[in-house]
Amino acid sequence: KNQVEQSPQSLIILEGKNCTLQCNYTVSPFSNLRWYKQDTGRGPVSLTIMTFSENTKSNGRYTATLDADTKQSSLHITASQLSDSASYICVVSAANAGNMLTFGGGTRLMVKP
Amino acid sequence: DSGVTQTPKHLITATGQRVTLRCSPRSGDLSVYWYQQSLDQGLQFLIQYYNGEERAKGNILERFSAQQFPDLHSELNLSSLELGDSALYFCASSPRGGATGELFFGEGSRLTVL
Repeated sequence: KNQVEQSPQSLIILEGKNCTLQCNYTVSPFSNLRWYKQDTGRGPVSLTIMTFSENTKSNGRYTATLDADTKQSSLHITASQLSDSASYICVVSAANAGNMLTFGGGTRLMVKP
Repeated sequence: DSGVTQTPKHLITATGQRVTLRCSPRSGDLSVYWYQQSLDQGLQFLIQYYNGEERAKGNILERFSAQQFPDLHSELNLSSLELGDSALYFCASSPRGGATGELFFGEGSRLTVL
């Protein structure tokens, strides 16, 4: 069964600090992995996509990594800002008919001043 | 602005009633997805339509149904509503049927069942 597990479930950090969110998956065959940011009460927005051949990809202060061997991904946020407070969702796409998406439960990040 | 439009933004109704949520996908997108998000929960996939036809089905209750019309807009019908149906309902669209591309989410419809 395809599964995506995220940790931690929630995280509180001080403004300006760095943090790393984790995503472990068992989706097979793997197609790609996306990190989405969801502000409270809003729709998720894609931050980055990782394909099988990519190890690291940056989008501003967000850096995603992918280890396809261990089926793990991380999202590192540098120099956090109050606006980074949101839920971060890991979504893995399977490379089969229908390309079904499997969503992780998300990590709720709160950045405090 | 994702380009996906959902109406209504907020809806309050009573148990046993029926409601219809509407979604207009981004211009040119053929796929529409519906998700349910209960309070402090993750997104639960309900159903996907591609170019008017059902493509994939998730944990959608029998009391719920959806369709995609020739102009590609979609409607999610929720009937015999229960308190537990209170949630945010998101619609997302993508250009093709396969989910390798990015999903563009609407702002959601918040349903409250009293």
